[in-house]
Amino acid sequence: AQTVTQSQPEMSVQEAETVTLSCTYDTSESDYYLFWYKQPPSRQMILVIRQEAYKQQNATENRFSVNFQKAAKSFSLKISDSQLGDAAMYFCAVARSGNTGKLIFGQGTTLQVKP
Amino acid sequence: GAVVSQHPSRVICKSGTSVKIECRSLDFQATTMFWYRQFPKQSLMLMATSNEGSKATYEQGVEKDKFLINHASLTLSTLTVTSAHPEDSSFYICSARDHRLLANEQFFGPGTRLTVL
Repeated sequence: AQTVTQSQPEMSVQEAETVTLSCTYDTSESDYYLFWYKQPPSRQMILVIRQEAYKQQNATENRFSVNFQKAAKSFSLKISDSQLGDAAMYFCAVARSGNTGKLIFGQGTTLQVKP
Repeated sequence: GAVVSQHPSRVICKSGTSVKIECRSLDFQATTMFWYRQFPKQSLMLMATSNEGSKATYEQGVEKDKFLINHASLTLSTLTVTSAHPEDSSFYICSARDHRLLANEQFFGPGTRLTVL
């Protein structure tokens, strides 16, 4: 079984500042992927960043980066230079590799960006 | 690329009626689609995995006869909520996997808000 835990129900950040969202997971799989998805008020799920578990290098996508600690089963998301458009609910998710690998989501963190 | 559509975006129905929600992958073939349910300010709960040409795999606690899933083609999966009741009111989201991609990324539809009166 796989589980994902996001311990921060809500976070806030000042515009242009940096914020880190926490995520821990548990899986018995040796080959898996980790994701951060963003869900703005429109409720459209948007992929923010993806990490292959076999890669040691942390994934980066523009202002978004992750701190992947495999041994600790931790996968935090750092948002740099926060923008008003970053305000959304963020979900951490894990999926085992393979065609039928389903996404297991965390509870979500609501991020507020203050102007 | 990798666009998934859902129809309708909103639906209101009377208790006891059935409602069908369509999920389409517009620019790729999806042998696997997923159906989620989401309550306000909560996470996505996987209901079932839909495989083209075969029966859907339902998660524990999800009633197969209540939520009928059909994946008749590589670009279309449908979810039918049968004999809907007010407690079925929720936001339903589908996603699809593009098997050309190595990673297990899923592309999500915009969701369907179901209200049962």
